[in-house]
Amino acid sequence: GAGVSQSPRYKVAKRGQDVALRCDPISGHVSLFWYQQALGQGPEFLTYFQNEAQLDKSGLPSDRFFAERPEGSVSTLKIQRTQQEDSAVYLCASSLVRDTDTQYFGPGTRLTVL
Amino acid sequence: GENVEQHPSTLSVQEGDSAVIKCTYSDSASNYFPWYKQELGKRPQLIIDIRSNVGEKKDQRIAVTLNKTAKHFSLHITETQPEDSAVYFCAASNVVRGSQGNLIFGKGTKLSVKP
Repeated sequence: GAGVSQSPRYKVAKRGQDVALRCDPISGHVSLFWYQQALGQGPEFLTYFQNEAQLDKSGLPSDRFFAERPEGSVSTLKIQRTQQEDSAVYLCASSLVRDTDTQYFGPGTRLTVL
Repeated sequence: GENVEQHPSTLSVQEGDSAVIKCTYSDSASNYFPWYKQELGKRPQLIIDIRSNVGEKKDQRIAVTLNKTAKHFSLHITETQPEDSAVYFCAASNVVRGSQGNLIFGKGTKLSVKP
């Protein structure tokens, strides 16, 4: 079946603009993660959903970052009043949880804040 | 919290040679250790993983070893090929059945395989 998809693939925003990044997980996957990957670095955890419940948001860098997964499938990561330091690739990953721990990643959204 | 260190940051080998990448972790509760390969501009892809109840796992040219006492694990690639060139990330997580731990990643190793 289809893998994890993300849109848009590229986003350029002016400093101060709000952005919304979308993640479509693999159908039936219960767990969904958001990670931030700065250039030349490993992904860093932002937040985790199990179905529609946000169980961990300890990695969100500020209150400008907000994530939701209202129906337990598609998720949106919203960044308000973007800053230059928000420039990164935002990766989404999903996992079935019950039978496997493997996290499958999407292609990411490259956000550039000017 | 968990901290994962990865070495080396860059590795260059000749085609056909072996490559070894090493990672250490700090949290003894971590019990799941995946390795991801990421080509430029692409998504991270799982290449192999190991759980804390085993010491070694192999899949064709790729193997991972885990030393729980020393809290380190390693990726071994034998008979390297140019298409193995990529950035490799190790990660650690504490997975409890019915729940899911987030992955803590190392900083990555850029592997270059020269023909």
